Parts: sequence; C-alpha cells; structure tokens
Amino acid sequence: GENVEQHPSTLSVQEGDSAVIKCTYSDSASNYFPWYKQELGKRPQLIIDIRSNVGEKKDQRIAVTLNKTAKHFSLHITETQPEDSAVYFCAAVDDKIIFGKGTRLHILP
Amino acid sequence: ETGVTQTPRHLVMGMTNKKSLKCEQHLGHNAMYWYKQSAKKPLELMFVYNFKEQTENNSVPSRFSPECPNSSHLFLHLHTLQPEDSALYLCASSHTSGAATDTQYFGPGTRLTVL
Repeated sequence: GENVEQHPSTLSVQEGDSAVIKCTYSDSASNYFPWYKQELGKRPQLIIDIRSNVGEKKDQRIAVTLNKTAKHFSLHITETQPEDSAVYFCAAVDDKIIFGKGTRLHILP
Repeated sequence: ETGVTQTPRHLVMGMTNKKSLKCEQHLGHNAMYWYKQSAKKPLELMFVYNFKEQTENNSVPSRFSPECPNSSHLFLHLHTLQPEDSALYLCASSHTSGAATDTQYFGPGTRLTVL
C-alpha cells in the first residue's frame, strides 16, 4: 500500500540552530503535503502545508520544500527555540491522507 | 482550544466492557474523522464521515463501531476490545472530506487503556 517514510525518528538540536525533517512518499498522485506539530499531551496542529504546484513555502521560521520528481518533501525550522520541542508529523494526501511515523524534536538549551 | 472536543479524555476498560467515545466539533465542518495513534506508529485513519455518511472504513475490526448522528457529533462505540487496542484515539474535523486536502482540526484525544 501507499506509505510515507519520515526521518529521523528523533532529532536533537542546539537552541538557535536549524532542524530539518525529511519525508518521502510512494503515491505519485499525492498533491498536498501538510505538516503537523504535536506537543506533549496535546493534539496535532497544522503548522504549514504545501501543494504540488509549489516547490517551497515559508512562514516565518518554518519552511517546507517539495521535490515531486524525487517524491520527497522536507520541513526546515530555523533559529530553533525551546517551544519547538514536539513531535512533528508529515503527511501526503491524494484521495486519502497518509501520515509519517513522526519525528521527536528536542531543542537543547 | 474548544473547536473540537472529545470525552472522556481517559478511559480504562476491560475486554468485556462496552464503552463509547464522543467527539463534538463547533467549527461548522461537514467531515469528521477517527484516528488511532499508537506509540512509534503513524497516525492511522480509521473512519471518515462526510455529511453524516460514512465514506471510508480503513479495514477497522468490527469491535469498533462508529456513529455519526449529525455533522457536529461523532461517536466510537467499543466492545470486546483487546489490549493491543490501547492507544490515543483522536477525532478530527474538516470543512469537507470530498477534498482530503482540507485542513483537519484535531481534538485532544481519548487515552484508552484496555486491560
């Protein structure tokens, strides 16, 4: 079946440095790629998304890039802060949404 | 954050019990979803309802029985569950599910433990 691979599963980054999380997908018909952030004990919340007609999207310290040919997309967080510590999920959507397994991001003081 | 609410927040049940999870959305959305979130696994979509009609069932065992009486309420009836069904059950809603690309808004989840 269709799947989404997400790496790394855990990432530790010094505060102020950048973090990158990568996802690959198998369904070439996927055309929408949301990213969700789930803080400990809280609900997943959409933080940024990108559609297949765009290669890059940025929102303040967060950016997402998409390479449709290679079927991969990445989340970039710059100038990381303690409140960025959370689990991040990528997803690929065609007629259904398929999530990656998540990346636990730790921001080190 | 009161857009999507779920009750109870925590539930412990035996394998012979019958219980129900409730989800309510106050966003005026037409689509609602049940997800299962287990440790170290991707979020698993279980059911999708669009305008009260079930449009997707991802091969979920019959011991999970969803009910959607209207676009604002979604239930998940549980009976004769197994310990491996212990997980966080998340409800979500979106404007429509005809387009899976609609942003989904999640509830806080019900942490279910099956003994």
